[in-house]
Amino acid sequence: EDQVTQSPEALRLQEGESSSLNCSYTVSGLRGLFWYRQDPGKGPEFLFTLYSAGEEKEKERLKATLTKKESFLHITAPKPEDSATYLCAVQDWSGANSKLTFGKGITLSVRP
Amino acid sequence: DVKVTQSSRYLVKRTGEKVFLECVQDMDHENMFWYRQDPGLGLRLIYFSYDVKMKEKGDIPEGYSVSREKKERFSLILESASTNQTSMYLCASSREAYEQYFGPGTRLTVT
Repeated sequence: EDQVTQSPEALRLQEGESSSLNCSYTVSGLRGLFWYRQDPGKGPEFLFTLYSAGEEKEKERLKATLTKKESFLHITAPKPEDSATYLCAVQDWSGANSKLTFGKGITLSVRP
Repeated sequence: DVKVTQSSRYLVKRTGEKVFLECVQDMDHENMFWYRQDPGLGLRLIYFSYDVKMKEKGDIPEGYSVSREKKERFSLILESASTNQTSMYLCASSREAYEQYFGPGTRLTVT
């Protein structure tokens, strides 16, 4: 059974203070690892997909990286508008290969 | 842009009522999904469908059923709503095994 653990549960940063969010996973064979952003009361918004160890993807102040056991979402010089919950999910190569297993999310607060 | 819409943002129902939640996507995606999201429990998959009239149980299907009569529409049905089904319900769609795109969610309260 696939498992995803995200840490820390919550993170408070000062504006401009860079940090990283961690996503550790256990999967029989990784097909893809996904990052989402979720604002309160809204549906998750897709950010990145990573497929193989060593892969990196960037979007504005966010950079996602992948190893064989974990993924990091690096936030460089965050702004208050980056405050949200960040979700990580994995997809494996089993029969129901469109299913995602989600972590519980990391709630990020960025103070001005 | 992919667009997934859900029929209601907020819904209040009484215990025992039959509840229909509708989801429509406009990107011709094969796969559609229903999740519920609760504090401390994260996103949990209720049912998914990989083709019209096809469905598979997710992790928590008890008390729910689904219907997919057309490719763009996926309905979640609560046969007899109970208070423990009070939750945020999220619909998603995807092309094959690629990223899922989510709707805005329906906040359901069962009293």
